[in-house]
Amino acid sequence: NAGVTQTPKFQVLKTGQSMTLQCAQDMNHNSMYWYRQDPGMGLRLIYYSASEGTTDKGEVPNGYNVSRLNKREFSLRLESAAPSQTSVYFCASSPRLVSGELFFGEGSRLTVL
Amino acid sequence: GENVEQHPSTLSVQEGDSAVIKCTYSDSASNYFPWYKQELGKRPQLIIDIRSNVGEKKDQRIAVTLNKTAKHFSLHITETQPEDSAVYFCAARFTGGGADGLTFGKGTHLIIQP
Repeated sequence: NAGVTQTPKFQVLKTGQSMTLQCAQDMNHNSMYWYRQDPGMGLRLIYYSASEGTTDKGEVPNGYNVSRLNKREFSLRLESAAPSQTSVYFCASSPRLVSGELFFGEGSRLTVL
Repeated sequence: GENVEQHPSTLSVQEGDSAVIKCTYSDSASNYFPWYKQELGKRPQLIIDIRSNVGEKKDQRIAVTLNKTAKHFSLHITETQPEDSAVYFCAARFTGGGADGLTFGKGTHLIIQP
């Protein structure tokens, strides 16, 4: 009964380093999303994937890439981290493309120095 | 794209009183409006949602109203309790241009005073 699992939960990077946030869901959902949460800014959509093999940009995609590896997994990559990417990142999944509830992971807190 | 405005950013009410949080949206094509609750250090969780063909929906102490003409929707919490203290986010579905997702408001920090 894991739901949506994200790793790592915490990460500190130096400017220019790269890293990948991993996300997996075990609910057989078609749609998956990556959001970032910053104080006073709410949740902003970075990328989403309507189904396996498809990805689309959200509101704030610059500096990020994604891969929908299979139906279960959706990863977010920072190729060259910047301090502006310091944030809490949430992965979410939904059984259908935003006509139902989003199920969120626990979040990944990323700090870029 | 869709723009969602949420007010107030902070709301403090006495335990037992009611709380109201309001949101407006810009895209008249939006048809789905959920509300999420996020406790400190936790993930957001859906508490109630409403679709555009309904004007009001209730679930025990919480209710949501939708005015499509004015493009605004509100969350009402009655008989507030300490466990209602959290950040609440409204959201609206956006579509078009190949995109489909939820746009969130910036959140309301609800504080329940004992």
